[in-house]
Amino acid sequence: NAGVTQTPKFRILKIGQSMTLQCTQDMNHNYMYWYRQDPGMGLKLIYYSVGAGITDKGEVPNGYNVSRSTTEDFPLRLELAAPSQTSVYFCASSYSTSGLSQPQHFGDGTRLSIL
Amino acid sequence: RKEVEQDPGPFNVPEGATVAFNCTYSNSASQSFFWYRQDCRKEPKLLMSVYSSGNEDGRFTAQLNRASQYISLLIRDSKLSDSATYLCAVSRGSSASKIIFGSGTRLSIRP
Repeated sequence: NAGVTQTPKFRILKIGQSMTLQCTQDMNHNYMYWYRQDPGMGLKLIYYSVGAGITDKGEVPNGYNVSRSTTEDFPLRLELAAPSQTSVYFCASSYSTSGLSQPQHFGDGTRLSIL
Repeated sequence: RKEVEQDPGPFNVPEGATVAFNCTYSNSASQSFFWYRQDCRKEPKLLMSVYSSGNEDGRFTAQLNRASQYISLLIRDSKLSDSATYLCAVSRGSSASKIIFGSGTRLSIRP
């Protein structure tokens, strides 16, 4: 059981380049999330999705886009990479019905540097 | 005021000691609360969920105080392996989907 898988694990981008961070989960979770974590800081919610075809902004969505065409996949797109987007990106998923949130399962993270 | 606030620490305590730290949240409608443990350069891992007044798992006890809007984590008989950053996470209001994390509390256990 792989859980939440993120690719790539490391990436260096030049300013202005674009890339997609991949995230897939095999637990049939309906909720998926993208967070970024800067050094010494907590996790900031970028985008989240409560099901296929539904996405919503989190705390820090500017400069990012997401899509959720299937239950399993939730890619994060950076269109014009900026140095401020240098961070560790975590994808997470959970299974939640109405009311209470359930614990999130996290991927290993993608370490992204913009130079 | 931040939605979820934690004392960043570091808390530096001897092995075997009891240590506790709090996490305050601003939205009184929040329903779900979690403590995660994060080791250096690793992903967060669930330590405990708190949905009602509290939860206990071995040496770890979490308490929820709705009146004062905080959750606490108590670690008894601390081990060297407890050294990590502890993150609290809170659902934003009554929404089951949006989970907001605190900045984390660093704990270091010394021999």
